[in-house]
Amino acid sequence: GAVVSQHPSRVICKSGTSVKIECRSLDFQATTMFWYRQFPKQSLMLMATSNEGSKATYEQGVEKDKFLINHASLTLSTLTVTSAHPEDSSFYICSARGAGEVDTQYFGPGTRLTVL
Amino acid sequence: QKEVEQDPGPLSVPEGAIVSLNCTYSNSAFQYFMWYRQYSRKGPELLMYTYSSGNKEDGRFTAQVDKSSKYISLFIRDSQPSDSATYLCAMSAWDDMRFGAGTRLTVKP
Repeated sequence: GAVVSQHPSRVICKSGTSVKIECRSLDFQATTMFWYRQFPKQSLMLMATSNEGSKATYEQGVEKDKFLINHASLTLSTLTVTSAHPEDSSFYICSARGAGEVDTQYFGPGTRLTVL
Repeated sequence: QKEVEQDPGPLSVPEGAIVSLNCTYSNSAFQYFMWYRQYSRKGPELLMYTYSSGNKEDGRFTAQVDKSSKYISLFIRDSQPSDSATYLCAMSAWDDMRFGAGTRLTVKP
């Protein structure tokens, strides 16, 4: 149990376009989902926390108008990178936490975004 | 069977103890092995990054990888209360990462 999937696993897009990344909890209800960004061989940077049915809480320095997060259901959260630029190229990882859990997060496999 | 198995704990040890954290995996394609430390409400911090089998040491931390057994370990020597956190193992084959569920560690003064 506790499987989290992401789609797509890799995406290449042109500068100026928008890209949507999906994060799904496959066998549990995720009341909270987290979005991270990772550069090679570095720590995961928390971008935002979203609770189902409410607006996401963004970390300082993360542009909420550029990184749109929607957590419309208990099994799905989406991250949309709007007007992507080459500097947005990165590895994006989501994680999910079920109701009643305090510390445990289940991570997705990540999405590699390359903006040309 | 999950691709990565990690005992979620919780694990509680006295200050100064040696801590051993472990993960097993099933996918022999994994080439890169990581250990992260995560404090509450923070993103996972990369502690150790290894590529091959063997040991890698960094201060009080030693990462061990045994590809033949598909087993990785993180040892913490002289554990401190500040080491109290959740420790996540992770591994990847190119861009496909898999995380363990994390082990909650408490080091008591």
